[in-house]
Amino acid sequence: AQKVTQAQTEISVVEKEDVTLDCVYETRDTTYYLFWYKQPPSGELVFLIRRNSFDEQNEISGRYSWNFQKSTSSFNFTITASQVVDSAVYFCALSEANYKLSFGAGTTVTVRA
Amino acid sequence: DSGVTQTPKHLITATGQRVTLRCSPRSGDLSVYWYQQSLDQGLQFLIQYYNGEERAKGNILERFSAQQFPDLHSELNLSSLELGDSALYFCASSAPSGSSYNEQFFGPGTRLTVL
Repeated sequence: AQKVTQAQTEISVVEKEDVTLDCVYETRDTTYYLFWYKQPPSGELVFLIRRNSFDEQNEISGRYSWNFQKSTSSFNFTITASQVVDSAVYFCALSEANYKLSFGAGTTVTVRA
Repeated sequence: DSGVTQTPKHLITATGQRVTLRCSPRSGDLSVYWYQQSLDQGLQFLIQYYNGEERAKGNILERFSAQQFPDLHSELNLSSLELGDSALYFCASSAPSGSSYNEQFFGPGTRLTVL
């Protein structure tokens, strides 16, 4: 079974629109971490944010914000006022106690000028 | 630039051959992870080493093996290559504690094409 599900395959927006990426995860661990990574067209994977299972406080960091809800096993990520440089594939990932990082299938975000 | 280096950037080889991919972690990081990214399988965790010892294994085929050397660089060996092994192979490293909860910093990847 998929541990991390990103139901949105592709999202296309016009510059300055907000983009919200959905992520649903599955784990039996009580301690776990959730991550968002970005893969721009150049191909490298870039770490964006990390959240642990005990901290459901939602935060904003610049144009990025995230909404972590344990009750629904969701860890959504929002880009506010999107820019063309935000065009990339975004991956949600789950780290459990077994040292393995499980990635979702990714959501391709295209921001049009 | 993440500080993780991988060589080579591109590799083209034939079925049945053997190749070695190399990774140097960020300065001070003791953990090295290997991932395979393909169109049909997505991003798959292969294996993790911590300070020279294997710590976790994922979906790594028996034809694949890895090791981490005393200077902490790591090599991923792929043998008896098949067409389906064509993929982008990433190496990542994380903070010295080796905890699975640390964020990982990825190298630029090695693009392997098997013809």
